[in-house]
Amino acid sequence: EDQVTQSPEALRLQEGESSSLNCSYTVSGLRGLFWYRQDPGKGPEFLFTLYSAGEEKEKERLKATLTKKESFLHITAPKPEDSATYLCAVRDHNNAGNMLTFGGGTRLMVKP
Amino acid sequence: GAGVSQSPSNKVTEKGKDVELRCDPISGHTALYWYRQSLGQGLEFLIYFQGNSAPDKSGLPSDRFSAERTGGSVSTLTIQRTQQEDSAVYLCASSLSGTGTGGEYFGPGTRLTVL
Repeated sequence: EDQVTQSPEALRLQEGESSSLNCSYTVSGLRGLFWYRQDPGKGPEFLFTLYSAGEEKEKERLKATLTKKESFLHITAPKPEDSATYLCAVRDHNNAGNMLTFGGGTRLMVKP
Repeated sequence: GAGVSQSPSNKVTEKGKDVELRCDPISGHTALYWYRQSLGQGLEFLIYFQGNSAPDKSGLPSDRFSAERTGGSVSTLTIQRTQQEDSAVYLCASSLSGTGTGGEYFGPGTRLTVL
């Protein structure tokens, strides 16, 4: 059974204080690891897909990296508008249904 | 361009009533998914459509839940004889193809409250 665990559950940062969010996963055959951002009352917003260990992707202050067991979402010099819940999900080669298995999310709060 | 839309945005119903939730995916997206997000729980997969077919219904929690998709576009999720534990945000997502390598694009969700 695919499993995704995110840590920490919540993270408070000062504006400009860089940090990383962790996503540990267990999957029989990784077809993709996905990062989403979710604001209160809204649906998740797609950020990145990573497919193989060693891959990195960047978007503004965010950089996602992938190893065989975990992914990190690095946030450089965050701003208050980066406050949101960040969700990690995996898709398994052995799941013909294409479903995503999500972690519980990390709630990020950036104080000015 | 237009994203995934869902209606209604909020639905309050009484226990035992039936409800229908609607999803309009992004035009041209052949894959469509329903997920459920409850307080204290992560996003939970319900059902996947490729075109009008549902190759994976494994996430539907009981036979009170059903879904259909018509014309390769609009989908409706129906919950019969609603129970209080059905209260959650129901999210629809679509993606360009069924290869599963791209990200899904989510709608804003329907918040269902069963009294």
